[in-house]
Amino acid sequence: GENVEQHPSTLSVQEGDSAVIKCTYSDSASNYFPWYKQELGKRPQLIIDIRSNVGEKKDQRIAVTLNKTAKHFSLHITETQPEDSAVYFCAARGGITGNQFYFGTGTSLTVIP
Amino acid sequence: GAGVSQTPSNKVTEKGKYVELRCDPISGHTALYWYRQSLGQGPEFLIYFQGTGAADDSGLPNDRFFAVRPEGSVSTLKIQRTERGDSAVYLCASSLTPVSTNEQFFGPGTRLTVL
Repeated sequence: GENVEQHPSTLSVQEGDSAVIKCTYSDSASNYFPWYKQELGKRPQLIIDIRSNVGEKKDQRIAVTLNKTAKHFSLHITETQPEDSAVYFCAARGGITGNQFYFGTGTSLTVIP
Repeated sequence: GAGVSQTPSNKVTEKGKYVELRCDPISGHTALYWYRQSLGQGPEFLIYFQGTGAADDSGLPNDRFFAVRPEGSVSTLKIQRTERGDSAVYLCASSLTPVSTNEQFFGPGTRLTVL
């Protein structure tokens, strides 16, 4: 099955700096890659996603890049703010039916004011 | 409109007992997923429903776990003979359809503690 690895597990940045989180996946058939933000004790919320036929997508301060050949995708947050502090999860959709979501182990981002 | 809801929010049970966890998806969402999230980990896929049928149950860890969605809306995850290792937050998510990039909306989760 699919295996999603995520790095780093923790990340601290100064407010205003950029943060980059990277994920790799193993199943070349995976075709959809969402990113979720989870605040402590709350549910995961989708912040951005990308399909396999697109190399990059941007939404204000957040961008995601996908390299299908290398099987890796990254989340980029620019001009970080304290409210960006949370755990971020990447995911890849694949599996036997193509409808399983495999999640990374998460990155705990702390933005220092 | 209302989001995905799950009940109970917390469940404490003793080893060997049976538990049921309920998920109410967003109205009209045909796809429903169950996940298990252990502390410090990402959600782990358990089962996916399309309508009333379990389209993919390959993530269920063993035969103590079972889930139903009899009318294509509310789903119940059932765990028999609970073990301490079953302790986790059980998340439910729903989406309009499973295909393409329809967003999954997560519920708040049920925190299960097996003593």
